[in-house]
Amino acid sequence: GAGVSQTPSNKVTEKGKYVELRCDPISGHTALYWYRQSLGQGPEFLIYFQGTGAADDSGLPNDRFFAVRPEGSVSTLKIQRTERGDSAVYLCASSVTSGEQFFGPGTRLTVL
Amino acid sequence: KQEVTQIPAALSVPEGENLVLNCSFTDSAIYNLQWFRQDPGKGLTSLLLIQSSQREQTSGRLNASLDKSSGRSTLYIAASQPGDSATYLCAVLHNAGNMLTFGGGTRLMVKP
Repeated sequence: GAGVSQTPSNKVTEKGKYVELRCDPISGHTALYWYRQSLGQGPEFLIYFQGTGAADDSGLPNDRFFAVRPEGSVSTLKIQRTERGDSAVYLCASSVTSGEQFFGPGTRLTVL
Repeated sequence: KQEVTQIPAALSVPEGENLVLNCSFTDSAIYNLQWFRQDPGKGLTSLLLIQSSQREQTSGRLNASLDKSSGRSTLYIAASQPGDSATYLCAVLHNAGNMLTFGGGTRLMVKP
């Protein structure tokens, strides 16, 4: 079956611009997670959705970051006024609640 | 705050060797522990998931153990192959939440 998909696979933007990253979870998975991975490090948690609501957004670094999941399926991570320090790979994962998490291929964001 | 450490950070072995990757975590109140594989520029592939009540899980040449009380897990790879070359990440799922906390990974190189 289809796994988690993320678009775009690569995104290059200029400092100060707005970007949106999309995640399509595995069908039927109610939980969706966003993580960020810097070069040479393990992924770090950003936000977790259970259905349509953000159950835990404690990992979002500041108010420039926001994520939505309006219909309980696809999620969009939005970053305003991008900074060079936002450059990283953004990973999305989905699961049945508290179950094994399955990851997408990631979006590599580069802020020039 | 949960901290996950992986030792060694990098490992190079000749083909055919059996090897052990180590993962330690500071808070034993975990729900489960996952081992992942990550190839360069790719997302994470789940290898094994161990529930907190379990001691080990096996899949093919891979065996993962969990000692929750001491905060340790090991991933044993038997008869290593060049195709096993990748970064291996362990991650723990908290009882209190659903985010995974990752270690920094072990970069494995298996030489033919």
